[in-house]
Amino acid sequence: EAQVTQNPRYLITVTGKKLTVTCSQNMNHEYMSWYRQDPGLGLRQIYYSMNVEVTDKGDVPEGYKVSRKEKRNFPLILESPSPNQTSLYFCASSLSTAYYNSPLHFGNGTRLTVT
Amino acid sequence: AQSVTQLDSHVSVSEGTPVLLRCNYSSSYSPSLFWYVQHPNKGLQLLLKYTSAATLVKGINGFEAEFKKSETSFHLTKPSAHMSDAAEYFCVVLAIYNFNKFYFGSGTKLNVKP
Repeated sequence: EAQVTQNPRYLITVTGKKLTVTCSQNMNHEYMSWYRQDPGLGLRQIYYSMNVEVTDKGDVPEGYKVSRKEKRNFPLILESPSPNQTSLYFCASSLSTAYYNSPLHFGNGTRLTVT
Repeated sequence: AQSVTQLDSHVSVSEGTPVLLRCNYSSSYSPSLFWYVQHPNKGLQLLLKYTSAATLVKGINGFEAEFKKSETSFHLTKPSAHMSDAAEYFCVVLAIYNFNKFYFGSGTKLNVKP
C-alpha cells in the first residue's frame, strides 16, 4: 500500500532531550516536507527536500534539523526541544513539485509534547 | 505573492443539506489546486485535485469543486451532507511558477447537525 509512515504517533519528552521523528514513504517520491499544525495558525512548513541531499528551510525552521540521505526517508530532528515545539507534526511527500497536479501525501501525524 | 483564502473558518449545516466551502487563490499563473480533509487525530487526505481537463472536478465521498479562473475560486461542494463529513477542510495551491511551493488555506471546520 502506498503510504507515508511517521513514527512515533505520540511522544512526550522533556526540555533539551534530543529526539528524532522518522518519516518514510514507499512511493519513490522526490519531494518530502515537514509541517507543524497549531490551533489558529494552520499548517506551517518547517523544512522540505526536493530530492536526495537537497533540503531547504520552510517558514518555521528554527530549532529543527532534517536530513535526506535516502530518497524514502526524511527524519525530523529536534536537537534541544523546547515547550514551544509542542505541536502536531506531519510529514508529506509528492512525486515532484515540478509536475503539475502532483498532490501531497500525508502521514498520520506525530503529536509531540515537550514539558 | 501567492495566497490561499478560505473565506469561512466554520460552516455548520444540517444533515442532508448542501455543503459549500469557499476558497479563493491569488496567482499570476494557472496553479495546481487541491482540497484535503482532516478528521480529528488524523492526517490530511486528498479529496480532489484540479487537472485542467475540466473545470468541474469530482472527488471522493461525493464532493465536487469548480474551478473558476475569472473569479480565482475553487469552491468545494456536496449536494447532501452526511454526519461523517464533519471534519476540517483545507484548500491547497501548488505554485509551480513560484518556487514550487505548496500554499495552504487556514482551514474550514465543517459541523454537521443531525
